[in-house]
Amino acid sequence: DTEVTQTPKHLVMGMTNKKSLKCEQHMGHRAMYWYKQKAKKPPELMFVYSYEKLSINESVPSRFSPECPNSSLLNLHLHALQPEDSALYLCASSQDPRSQETQYFGPGTRLLVL
Amino acid sequence: GQNIDQPTEMTATEGAIVQINCTYQTSGFNGLFWYQQHAGEAPTFLSYNVLDGLEEKGRFSSFLSRSKGYSYLLLKELQMKDSASYLCAVRANDYKLSFGAGTTVTVRA
Repeated sequence: DTEVTQTPKHLVMGMTNKKSLKCEQHMGHRAMYWYKQKAKKPPELMFVYSYEKLSINESVPSRFSPECPNSSLLNLHLHALQPEDSALYLCASSQDPRSQETQYFGPGTRLLVL
Repeated sequence: GQNIDQPTEMTATEGAIVQINCTYQTSGFNGLFWYQQHAGEAPTFLSYNVLDGLEEKGRFSSFLSRSKGYSYLLLKELQMKDSASYLCAVRANDYKLSFGAGTTVTVRA
């Protein structure tokens, strides 16, 4: 099973809303990632969790707040977003950050901020 | 920082062969990945190279030359379903994955 699941698939939110994106994997992977992808652009790394600890934050604004409750789950809490934050948010996982294994991507959450 | 270049678009005919080149300049090197991404979907893993040479996987092959900072993805016997964006991604010394802008391949009947 090489599946990473993400919910919801689509999300529309206002700039004053608080919402959360969820990601789950049951492959025993110890590294999990959040990426942001705008249309016709490559994915851009936001956060990396390694063994449930935040190891990389790519200078992401504080209106994005990641959380890793356990080794299978990764959340991204959203608050006071801007319209330019509208994008596809991809979760990925890998064996661990230093493994030669590839990252497996979830289907993404398509976010629209109004 | 990382610098990864690949062509923006390529068009080919069904049954043909297409080669997508990728050049890179990175802070160290810990592997190069190719992903396929259909519109509106997540990237899916195609191939991985960490040593020089050719890796073959069915209709898809990937080549790496570390000294030249160069890779290519070869798609053989093209099918309509191969129409997608192909992303070259390099893992540097910090183990972060940096993606190229992607090459949109259009397969025509």
